[in-house]
Amino acid sequence: QSALTQPASVSGSPGQSITISCTGTSSDVGGYNSVSWYQQHPGRAPKLLIYDVTNRPSGVSNRFSGSKSGNSASLTISGLQAEDEADYYCSSYTSSSTLPYVFGTGTNVTVL
Amino acid sequence: EVQLLESGGGLVQPGGSLRLSCAASGFTFNNYAMSWVRQAPGKGLEWVSVISASGDSTYYADSVRGRFTIFRDKSKNTLALQMNRLRVEDTAVYYCAKELNGHIYGSFDYWGQGTQVTVSS
Repeated sequence: QSALTQPASVSGSPGQSITISCTGTSSDVGGYNSVSWYQQHPGRAPKLLIYDVTNRPSGVSNRFSGSKSGNSASLTISGLQAEDEADYYCSSYTSSSTLPYVFGTGTNVTVL
Repeated sequence: EVQLLESGGGLVQPGGSLRLSCAASGFTFNNYAMSWVRQAPGKGLEWVSVISASGDSTYYADSVRGRFTIFRDKSKNTLALQMNRLRVEDTAVYYCAKELNGHIYGSFDYWGQGTQVTVSS
């Protein structure tokens, strides 16, 4: 099972919106509505931002939103803030009988 | 408040063994699937293993299958990972993570702080 593909880096200025893509296959992203997104600051544990493609856990800012089309999912960060500078990972459930999850390769977001 | 506290990491020689533990509190441990996820230095997240809420189902990444064993102690609300025949490439921070909805699905709403495992001679 290969990792989901994300761009290595994305950058934006404060106040702008950016979008991070996550590309998989019909055996993972395209086949299930179980895409999640995580934010990780250096030296910290990941934090769940989005689950089930579009849902935000309680306490997560509504500046974070998720979507999916075909075998690709996206995370959009609106009103970019300095504190959004971090690594972001997508994940998906998979149809594999031996490996039910797969993470994305990760995207480093820089706030210019 | 949900808390996950990992322990057991350290420095071990190639071919050696370690057992990681994750003490869970603040939720009904026996109702949730639990996972181990690792992150090698400067690398991305890699899912390692998951165990169902009942403990009846376990899954492993190809890179660790046959060497690692995940299990849970329901009486102690503890998740564990027995790691044998360790390799240099197993060097990473190991996180335990709780499933959001209980079953094996892949959305982890709580994570521990991580424990460092270093495999080196």
